[in-house]
Amino acid sequence: HSVLTQPPSASGTPGQRVTISCSGSSSNIGDNSVNWYQHLPGTAPKLLMYSDNQRPSGVPDRFSGSKSGTSASLAISGLQSEDEADYYCATWDDSLHGWVFGGGTKLTVL
Amino acid sequence: EVRLVESGGLVVQPGGSLRLSCAASGFTFVDYTMHWVRQAPGRGLEWVSLITWNGNTTYYADSVKGRFTISRDNSKNSLYLQMNNLKTDDTALYYCVKDILDSSWYYFDSWGQGTLVTVSS
Repeated sequence: HSVLTQPPSASGTPGQRVTISCSGSSSNIGDNSVNWYQHLPGTAPKLLMYSDNQRPSGVPDRFSGSKSGTSASLAISGLQSEDEADYYCATWDDSLHGWVFGGGTKLTVL
Repeated sequence: EVRLVESGGLVVQPGGSLRLSCAASGFTFVDYTMHWVRQAPGRGLEWVSLITWNGNTTYYADSVKGRFTISRDNSKNSLYLQMNNLKTDDTALYYCVKDILDSSWYYFDSWGQGTLVTVSS
């Protein structure tokens, strides 16, 4: 079981808005910022969002992040077929003294 | 351009040992904390270990603590992972990862392509 909890799957049609949640605890999300990664099969994971809601250069503004208490969310608006991928949240856990990932959410564009 | 190239992945029997290497280029290696992250077949990403710039501080996931040792040689721009007493659950693609501090927070900004470790009898 992952320390951070994500739904295993999410889906939407092109143009729709989809939200992926990431639930943790006071020792991780509650005390630290959250990063999000996009992972396409056969490629290296790519940073999508850092420090809760900061987009790296090159990431479209269709992607947005937020955090409240011990939960974080990644929202994708104007869904496109190329958004089909696995998405992971990650943060530092103060109790475990290590980075923790969510279990990953497989996004399907219908 | 940042480049991280892992090597050393093999098929090894349970209880065996393996040493992974990561050759880094395109950035000042000594300035950055480095990590190993793995992905088992059909599973999600799992952070394994980190080592700070000078090697003085290391952290490990509970699943590998006492069996894996991370190290680095800044003169060779290289990162290593010594894996002992390997278990079938250690079967995974192992990524070498660089982190960066930005907006007062850290994130993984560069990943290698991974090296495959298979633990099987």
